[in-house]
Order: sequence, then structure tokens, then C-alpha cells
Amino acid sequence: ETGVTQTPRHLVMGMTNKKSLKCEQHLGHNAMYWYKQSAKKPLELMFVYSLEERVENNSVPSRFSPECPNSSHLFLHLHTLQPEDSALYLCASSPTHEAGSSYNEQFFGPGTRLTVL
Amino acid sequence: GQNIDQPTEMTATEGAIVQINCTYQTSGFNGLFWYQQHAGEAPTFLSYNVLDGLEEKGRFSSFLSRSKGYSYLLLKELQMKDSASYLCAVTDSNYQLIWGAGTKLIIKP
Repeated sequence: ETGVTQTPRHLVMGMTNKKSLKCEQHLGHNAMYWYKQSAKKPLELMFVYSLEERVENNSVPSRFSPECPNSSHLFLHLHTLQPEDSALYLCASSPTHEAGSSYNEQFFGPGTRLTVL
Repeated sequence: GQNIDQPTEMTATEGAIVQINCTYQTSGFNGLFWYQQHAGEAPTFLSYNVLDGLEEKGRFSSFLSRSKGYSYLLLKELQMKDSASYLCAVTDSNYQLIWGAGTKLIIKP
């Protein structure tokens, strides 16, 4: 148990559906992250929240919409996705996301396996 | 551009030793991480190097050479449970984590 939970673990959706992924961390961390993991590709950082404010958005399509209501919860809202969005979506948290914090170990949740039909 | 290179897949025998290499070209360097990820599970932290040299932690060791842009993860006395993907990640000058694609390690009896 890493202290980061994600629901659902598996999700199958059509291109016209709207769904949300949920992440919760019980570690008292101040930063949370969404990653996309596709087979044989590096982890792709999608969004970073530090102290509940979005600090990075790495050119992610608008069909992905993050929400961070408090420092323990992070959501990823999905709508009108494409089949190429099928992947494992990982949530992570770290104590901080401040510049100068080179040792910033990230703790990952188990991921949501998303399939878009 | 920024790049992390590591082999796609490696195979080793139970009880043996295996070395997984990682080379990087990044804009600046502020540390290198190794993570382990079993199939269908979350990546978990293994090691962190920021200075040159070898860090040993039980059966696992990690080495760093900043001048060569090179690191390796050394796994000794391999066990079947070590079958997993091993991810190398570098913190760049902007303190962003740049990830490699991972090395899938297969352990055979």
C-alpha cells in the first residue's frame, strides 16, 4: 500500500461518454500529478498541482480536464476521448514541487487502465 | 531535446546478477531515480543518485557518472519476484522529472 489510491482501476468508455478518474493521497503531500503511460513509451506528465494550484499543463488536449479540490484529492475529467487515449493513467504525489527540491520522490497510485472504444 | 535511453528488455537467470544501463541527455541535472514497476501495479521507488559513485541498498545498487551521463542499476542474487520493469528518471535544471521508457526484466528459473 503506497498511500495513493485510484478509482476506478479499469474503465471502458465510448468516444461520446463523459467519465472521471479519481485519485486520493493519504501521505500529507503538497503536490499531485497525472501521468499517461502507454506501452513501451516513457511516462508522459500531463498535469501538476502544487498546493491545489495547477503549475503545469504539458500541452494536453482539452478533452482532459483536471480538478484539484484539496491537497488530498485529484480528478481527471474525460470527455469525447479518442481510441489513442487508451492507456494506463497514473496519479502520483510528492512532498513538494518547489524549485530546488531535487530529491522529490514521487509516490504512485496503481493506475486506471482506460480503454476507449 | 531531452532523452533517456535504456534497453527495452533483458533476460537473466534466477540467482545471477544483472546490470540495467541508463544514459541521459538533459538540460541540466539534479538527480537520477530508479523505480520498479510490476505488471499492473504502481511504480515504486528504488534509489536516488545525485553524486557520482555507487549507492548500495541490499541486493540492489545504483551507480552514477554525471560526466558520462550514465547510470546503472545492479541487481544481485536475482529472485523470480524481481521480474518487473525498471524505470530510469532524471530531474533536469527546471526540476522536471524526465522518464525513460523502462526496461522489462525477465527472470528465468
